[in-house]
Amino acid sequence: AQSVTQLGSHVSVSEGALVLLRCNYSSSVPPYLFWYVQYPNQGLQLLLKYTTGATLVKGINGFEAEFKKSETSFHLTKPSAHMSDAAEYFCAVSKAAGNKLTFGGGTRVLVKP
Amino acid sequence: GAVVSQHPSWVICKSGTSVKIECRSLDFQATTMFWYRQFPKQSLMLMATSNEGSKATYEQGVEKDKFLINHASLTLSTLTVTSAHPEDSSFYICSARGGNWSTEAFFGQGTRLTVV
Repeated sequence: AQSVTQLGSHVSVSEGALVLLRCNYSSSVPPYLFWYVQYPNQGLQLLLKYTTGATLVKGINGFEAEFKKSETSFHLTKPSAHMSDAAEYFCAVSKAAGNKLTFGGGTRVLVKP
Repeated sequence: GAVVSQHPSWVICKSGTSVKIECRSLDFQATTMFWYRQFPKQSLMLMATSNEGSKATYEQGVEKDKFLINHASLTLSTLTVTSAHPEDSSFYICSARGGNWSTEAFFGQGTRLTVV
């Protein structure tokens, strides 16, 4: 079975500061890894994904994540937070391309002016 | 990216009635659709996976007779909550995958169901 753990249900950052959201996973097979963002009462928008190849993945809105197999991690970062980054972020894993997703518990990001 | 439209975005219904939620892929053919449920301030839990033209596969603990899923065409899947009760109140989200080549599924906007 697969599982995803997101450390910290809430993260508060100042505008312009580094955003770091942690995600660790367990998987019996090479994983496909995703980060999604959710704004209130909306669906999920894909930020970035790792399938194969380069372990540093760049996504939309200035976000990037690095797949570290030895640490079973896929942490999400953004160098400089913007007020519009305030949202809920979910890390997810799947066994194969387009397969069902297992989500982490989510991390709510608050950006302080 | 591809667009998935979910309707309605919110619905209020009386206890005992049934509610149908539609999930449409607007610009691609969705061979597989997923239905998730999200409780307030919690993560998404997969309810079922449906492939076009076949019966849905439900996750453990999900009542298939209560949450009826139909995926009759490559662009439409429906979730019907039958005999709804207040505990069924939740945010329901669908996602659709277009073919075996696709490495991601695209999400609808979600439906907020409130049962009174």
